[in-house]
Amino acid sequence: GAGVSQSPSNKVTEKGKDVELRCDPISGHTALYWYRQSLGQGLEFLIYFQGNSAPDKSGLPSDRFSAERTGGSVSTLTIQRTQQEDSAVYLCASSPQGRIREKLFFGSGTQLSVL
Amino acid sequence: GESVGLHLPTLSVQEGDNSIINCAYSNSASDYFIWYKQESGKGPQFIIDIRSNMDKRQGQRVTVLLNKTVKHLSLQIAATQPGDSAVYFCAETASGGSYIPTFGRGTSLIVHP
Repeated sequence: GAGVSQSPSNKVTEKGKDVELRCDPISGHTALYWYRQSLGQGLEFLIYFQGNSAPDKSGLPSDRFSAERTGGSVSTLTIQRTQQEDSAVYLCASSPQGRIREKLFFGSGTQLSVL
Repeated sequence: GESVGLHLPTLSVQEGDNSIINCAYSNSASDYFIWYKQESGKGPQFIIDIRSNMDKRQGQRVTVLLNKTVKHLSLQIAATQPGDSAVYFCAETASGGSYIPTFGRGTSLIVHP
């Protein structure tokens, strides 16, 4: 289909390891968002891309978290030296333009478990 | 009925009943609101939206009501079906800023056959 694709769907890692989460947005969508969802909680904003630039990184919890977007398309969220509190579902979303009132299209998320 | 606390607020209804899910938002500058539905193992999906210049908007079996005075939003689902069982989130967006949606905590809707 032509929806937002995230990989892997599940990731189990050991504390202290680095992980990379990938997001393929809908083709042509300019804006891309990363959110985190902990069990039984709402969506916590992490970072937003407009094209390849990230005008808002205010939600990144610590300097262990980073993200990039290349070619105005694929984005990678990297978590270094993972901790148990990083365990959550990481959701990616895209939208056609960004910076206007528009709905977001979400992927199914990556379930990250840090042992 | 509803229960709150450490777990998500939960609304249990019988199939065929009407459901009302409530959301309080915090930013008085918010002027665009969306309801999303999240089924187990999936990402949130758009249901319906409303702009602040409206008080009510209807879709297929769903109605969203907006009360800007008390910063309250509700989603009404008519003739609730088992397939409506999911977690429902409201999201608010403020124009003139980053337009990044802020999500509420969510309400779990359970529909009993």
